Amino acid sequence: DADVTQTPRNRITKTGKRIMLECSQTKGHDRMYWYRQDPGLGLRLIYYSFDVKDINKGEISDGYSVSRQAQAKFSLSLESAIPNQTALYFCATSDSMASTWADTQYFGPGTRLTVL
Amino acid sequence: DAKTTQPPSMDCAEGRAANLPCNHSTISGNEYVYWYRQIHSQGPQYIIHGLKNNETNEMASLIITEDRKSSTLILPHATLRDTAVYYCIVRVARYGGATNKLIFGTGTLLAVQP
Repeated sequence: DADVTQTPRNRITKTGKRIMLECSQTKGHDRMYWYRQDPGLGLRLIYYSFDVKDINKGEISDGYSVSRQAQAKFSLSLESAIPNQTALYFCATSDSMASTWADTQYFGPGTRLTVL
Repeated sequence: DAKTTQPPSMDCAEGRAANLPCNHSTISGNEYVYWYRQIHSQGPQYIIHGLKNNETNEMASLIITEDRKSSTLILPHATLRDTAVYYCIVRVARYGGATNKLIFGTGTLLAVQP
């Protein structure tokens, strides 16, 4: 979805380096998410944020941190990258006002990260 | 959230309807059925969702059985660009959307053949 952008799209780094992945959205959504996808597996939730002051851990948050700089921006950091963090990373957004009971998530194009 | 079972792969001829099944026999009354698809290494794309009634939008139709234990996603006229992995996800609905975790399984790889 062109309304959700991720930078960089591809990144190769070395073990121990600090890496930041950025996500921006123009959809005006209040909620943002970070997922990772490993080959042959589904997506797994790393962190999610329901608004600028509300950040929550997902199922695999160890080794990652996030920052919600503004409603439209949500960054994922790997403080000290390790090879098993090599994966495809996706950002997603949703609008809490779209539905009382369940909101739909819209995904960015992904960042392919390789840690050597 | 309830688990789902999907066939690992399916073929469909271009121009024909693609019917993708999903079993969710342990679904609860407050759980929605969502469908997403992922075209090779791109971000997952939302297709459709429903609770009890059948739903249709510009992309697809969703047929949910009366007991809600299974559903079928229908792409009415499949094209080569519909080749993708299709994920059926069952997700709890709570007031205010308090829990919005999407649990992706391994999905069904739909191959549309020319």
